[in-house]
Amino acid sequence: GAGVSQSPRYKVAKRGQDVALRCDPISGHVSLFWYQQALGQGPEFLTYFQNEAQLDKSGLPSDRFFAERPEGSVSTLKIQRTQQEDSAVYLCASSLDWNTEAFFGQGTRLTVV
Amino acid sequence: AQTVTQSQPEMSVQEAETVTLSCTYDTSESDYYLFWYKQPPSRQMILVIRQEAYKQQNATENRFSVNFQKAAKSFSLKISDSQLGDAAMYFCAYRSYLQGAQKLVFGQGTRLTINP
Repeated sequence: GAGVSQSPRYKVAKRGQDVALRCDPISGHVSLFWYQQALGQGPEFLTYFQNEAQLDKSGLPSDRFFAERPEGSVSTLKIQRTQQEDSAVYLCASSLDWNTEAFFGQGTRLTVV
Repeated sequence: AQTVTQSQPEMSVQEAETVTLSCTYDTSESDYYLFWYKQPPSRQMILVIRQEAYKQQNATENRFSVNFQKAAKSFSLKISDSQLGDAAMYFCAYRSYLQGAQKLVFGQGTRLTINP
């Protein structure tokens, strides 16, 4: 596609539910990033993929958070047993390689009630 | 670890005037990149301008320019001839030059309002 596509745009989950957030990067982009942006804050790094390899997951806040990119294109961020503090916008970004500009999607706004 | 600080939560400027957004950062690295991103209500981060630390010349993109002071670890954004479409959240960000360390570290953001 023309840009990074994320779905759904909005997600409301009851506390304790599992959610899955999808990111379709720009075709051919090797690098893919996930960020978490709390209300009124700057984005914070969660995890990074190069092709299908998850090279950095140091930003994942707990073992309830899991990300995958099995075929080196689409990525899914999964949050198990959601908590209220997980409410945030989740941004995905992709870049052609490790040293080029990252392009962002419009994010998924997750609200846990 | 690197940190980025934006000390102005909100700024406002009259249309057609000039405004400067401040950013400071902390790092022990000598080579890195600095960025300014714009985030409108649509939430999509848009790259405004990029500066490589090894370049002494300040980056310029049309009405947007930076004042990069490496020794002071300061990276401010100047917007000239402000337009209504410039209203948004602006984030300063740092990225290491090292391969495998290319995550972006963002500041807290500055909300820019343009007054007609």
